[in-house]
Amino acid sequence: DGGITQSPKYLFRKEGQNVTLSCEQNLNHDAMYWYRQDPGQGLRLIYYSQIVNDFQKGDIAEGYSVSREKKESFPLTVTSAQKNPTAFYLCASSRGANTEAFFGQGTRLTVV
Amino acid sequence: QKEVEQDPGPLSVPEGAIVSLNCTYSNSAFQYFMWYRQYSRKGPELLMYTYSSGNKEDGRFTAQVDKSSKYISLFIRDSQPSDSATYLCAMSAINRLAFGKGNQVVVIP
Repeated sequence: DGGITQSPKYLFRKEGQNVTLSCEQNLNHDAMYWYRQDPGQGLRLIYYSQIVNDFQKGDIAEGYSVSREKKESFPLTVTSAQKNPTAFYLCASSRGANTEAFFGQGTRLTVV
Repeated sequence: QKEVEQDPGPLSVPEGAIVSLNCTYSNSAFQYFMWYRQYSRKGPELLMYTYSSGNKEDGRFTAQVDKSSKYISLFIRDSQPSDSATYLCAMSAINRLAFGKGNQVVVIP
């Protein structure tokens, strides 16, 4: 089945640790996105990539890093510099600009 | 003014009623418009998409776009308890994909 797979579904992190969230798609999409969702705040863009080996910061990139070495994969690292990392993280992909985007099922990150 | 405005207030309707949701936007570069449904603790699911002004129908769902007023709507006819979810509007332009905050809808049996 074609789609976007995020793993893990739930993730617990100790303060001061870096953690990496996985996002893989087999839709042959060029563009991939990372969003953060907090109650009452909607979806906020962290990073996006329109093509392999290229990515741009979104509205809330501080404390996060990404890579796009393969078309299918767009991992997100939440670093210890992110002051409030507990949130629901969503990965999405699309064929390109001005096309519909499809989402994974999300990763819920909790800092303990 | 925010790029995409969607009143997040919860909406409760009786089963069988018409649900009406809307979003306004300020960026005239947006050309592609989408509606997503999101169940609790799940990723958003694409419901409808369109790039032209006017109406687009799919079963019980109708998406409406008015580019001159920068206004989009989603109508759900004959609402069912299974329609209870959060609905997010989204719109895209070159290098930009923006979302509304989402509307929580509860359909009461």
